[in-house]
Amino acid sequence: AQTVTQSQPEMSVQEAETVTLSCTYDTSESDYYLFWYKQPPSRQMILVIRQEAYKQQNATENRFSVNFQKAAKSFSLKISDSQLGDAAMYFCASPSPPLETSGSRLTFGEGTQLTVNP
Amino acid sequence: NAGVTQTPKFQVLKTGQSMTLQCAQDMNHEYMSWYRQDPGMGLRLIHYSVGAGITDQGEVPNGYNVSRSTTEDFPLRLLSAAPSQTSVYFCASSYSIRWARWVDTQYFGPGTRLTVL
Repeated sequence: AQTVTQSQPEMSVQEAETVTLSCTYDTSESDYYLFWYKQPPSRQMILVIRQEAYKQQNATENRFSVNFQKAAKSFSLKISDSQLGDAAMYFCASPSPPLETSGSRLTFGEGTQLTVNP
Repeated sequence: NAGVTQTPKFQVLKTGQSMTLQCAQDMNHEYMSWYRQDPGMGLRLIHYSVGAGITDQGEVPNGYNVSRSTTEDFPLRLLSAAPSQTSVYFCASSYSIRWARWVDTQYFGPGTRLTVL
C-alpha cells in the first residue's frame, strides 16, 4: 500500500513568488527522517531538505523550508522567491512500513512536477 | 570523492538477455539500495543492503538479484530481461546503523536508462 501521498501531480509558480508542495505519509515509527528530493531534467536526484522527526523545529535550507506536522503526518515543502532553476520534479520520501528485515527502507511519493514561469 | 557511480549510463537489451548494472560508492556507507523509476510511479525499491554480506528485498524484487561482497560495490543483476524491466535504475547509498528503524540521507548515482526490446 502506498504510504506517501503527493496530491499535486503538477504545480506552477511565477518567478520570485512562493509555492508550497504537499506530502502526507504513514509510519508507525517514532524517530525517523523525512526528505524532499529534486529531480531536474538531468534526472540526477538531489537532496533539497531533511527533517528529523524528533525535532519540533521545522527544517530550513536557504529558500526552502518545511511545515512538519508530526501528529497529522504531513510534510509540506515551501519554496520562497522561486527561481527558474527550481523547475523540476519534487519527491517526498518517508520510512516504509516496518518489516522483520535487517534494516529500514524509504518510500517515495509519485512526485510533483513544478513549473516556474518567468 | 566520486560519490556514487553507476555504469553503464544507457543500455539496450533483447528479451531474455542477462546483464549486470554496476554501482560503487567511495563514502564508506554501509547502506546501499537499488530503485527503479517508471513514469508516474516515483521511485520503487528493488533490493537493499545494510552491509557487506547482507541483502534484503524491497518492493519490486522479482527478476533481479543482488550481492554485497564489499562495502563499496552493490551490483544489480537482471537474470532474463523482460520488456517490463524497461526503466531508469538508480543506485543510492547512505550512512546507517544496522537494525535502525530509520534511513538517513540517500546519495544517488546518475542513473542507468535500460531499454528491453
